[in-house]
Amino acid sequence: QSALTQPASVSGSPGQSITISCTGTSSDVGSYNLVSWYQQHPGKAPKLMIYEVSKRPSGVSNRFSGSKSGNTASLTISGLQAEDEADYYCCSYAGSSTGVFGGGTKLTVL
Amino acid sequence: QLQLQESGPGLVKPSETLSLTCTVSGGSISSSSYYWGWIRQPPGKGLEWIGSIYYSGSTYYNPSLKSRVTISVDTSKNQFSLKLSSVTAADTAVYYCARVRYSSELDYWGQGTLVTVSS
Repeated sequence: QSALTQPASVSGSPGQSITISCTGTSSDVGSYNLVSWYQQHPGKAPKLMIYEVSKRPSGVSNRFSGSKSGNTASLTISGLQAEDEADYYCCSYAGSSTGVFGGGTKLTVL
Repeated sequence: QLQLQESGPGLVKPSETLSLTCTVSGGSISSSSYYWGWIRQPPGKGLEWIGSIYYSGSTYYNPSLKSRVTISVDTSKNQFSLKLSSVTAADTAVYYCARVRYSSELDYWGQGTLVTVSS
């Protein structure tokens, strides 16, 4: 069960769109539509932003969207805002009722 | 509103056993729709899945930690617990408890508790 691969950092200017990738294998991301994304601000617990690849929990802005193709899932944030600056983690079901996280991506809003 | 709260010692000696409890309020741990999980985050690093438990007591562990981890549930107290044996400095981390949906979606989290392994 190896960690999913995310870019260490991404950046964008306010109003722009960014995409964070999350690459796994045919044993996790590629096999299940159970990819979730979490936002974590410094010193805070992670917050669920996307579940089941592309669904948003109640209260999460529609500027956040998710998708998947093959073994790679993606999180897109449109209309970047200063408060979006945070760490983002993907997570996939990995079988046997366990999950596996990505290494995390630091988003900087320029 | 569902709330989760971790509790336990903040300092554990090397080779000893780390023990944490998560108390769930605002909902029942015996719900058939959810599992209950533990996740950790070493300082400055990413998240790591430790394992989860169903209210019936069925457990599911990260293979890399399985030999040292025990997760248990006490439905009468609406709590579940984590034990990690033979700890080293590498086990120093913020430990989070969370509600698990569909085996891997974590929709409610505790605030986290820092456990330092040091003599």
